[in-house]
Amino acid sequence: TQLLEQSPQFLSIQEGENLTVYCNSSSVFSSLQWYRQEPGEGPVLLVTVVTGGEVKKLKRLTFQFGDARKDSSLHITAAQTGDTGLYLCAGALETSYDKVIFGPGTSLSVIP
Amino acid sequence: DTGVSQDPRHKITKRGQNVTFRCDPISEHNRLYWYRQTLGQGPEFLTYFQNEAQLEKSRLLSDRFSAERPKGSFSTLEIQRTEQGDSAMYLCASSPVGAGRPYEQYFGPGTRLTVT
Repeated sequence: TQLLEQSPQFLSIQEGENLTVYCNSSSVFSSLQWYRQEPGEGPVLLVTVVTGGEVKKLKRLTFQFGDARKDSSLHITAAQTGDTGLYLCAGALETSYDKVIFGPGTSLSVIP
Repeated sequence: DTGVSQDPRHKITKRGQNVTFRCDPISEHNRLYWYRQTLGQGPEFLTYFQNEAQLEKSRLLSDRFSAERPKGSFSTLEIQRTEQGDSAMYLCASSPVGAGRPYEQYFGPGTRLTVT
């Protein structure tokens, strides 16, 4: 059983469309990170959220941390082909903040 | 480039052989992590170090796997008597401690291991 679930597992959209991917858990996290990974490369950190209800924006990407710090979402506006990749959420548990647990990822494909 | 580096990027080996991978973290980072990632999955925690001390090792890690960080700088991950199930991407990450964010990890490009 995954401690962090991500949905959808796969997403294929046309360039210019909007999308939201989700990261859910029954556990409380002291912080949550989103990474993007391209094939054959390591994950690249996009953002960290630490406060329940926090919203952060990174250009066309909007990240939200749930009020109870058990879930998060990533919304992309006007997707571009360069957004294609594997989006991973990762959380540091309150009980073990120095070890990060990764979700299985959402594979996004943006078609021109 | 002051990012995390890993060597080699690709390794093909025959079943039963030993392999060793190297990771050089960002120089001022004192935490170093090893992960394994298979296709379609997120990174799976293997072990981590603070300076030269190995603080935790995953229960999923068999005794064929060993990691060292002898001087608190670079680290090596050795797999003895490789099996086909060891085929995966092995990722290294580092993070600073004392900056309030030990959970923010910076990854290297990974070593792709194929066991034939």
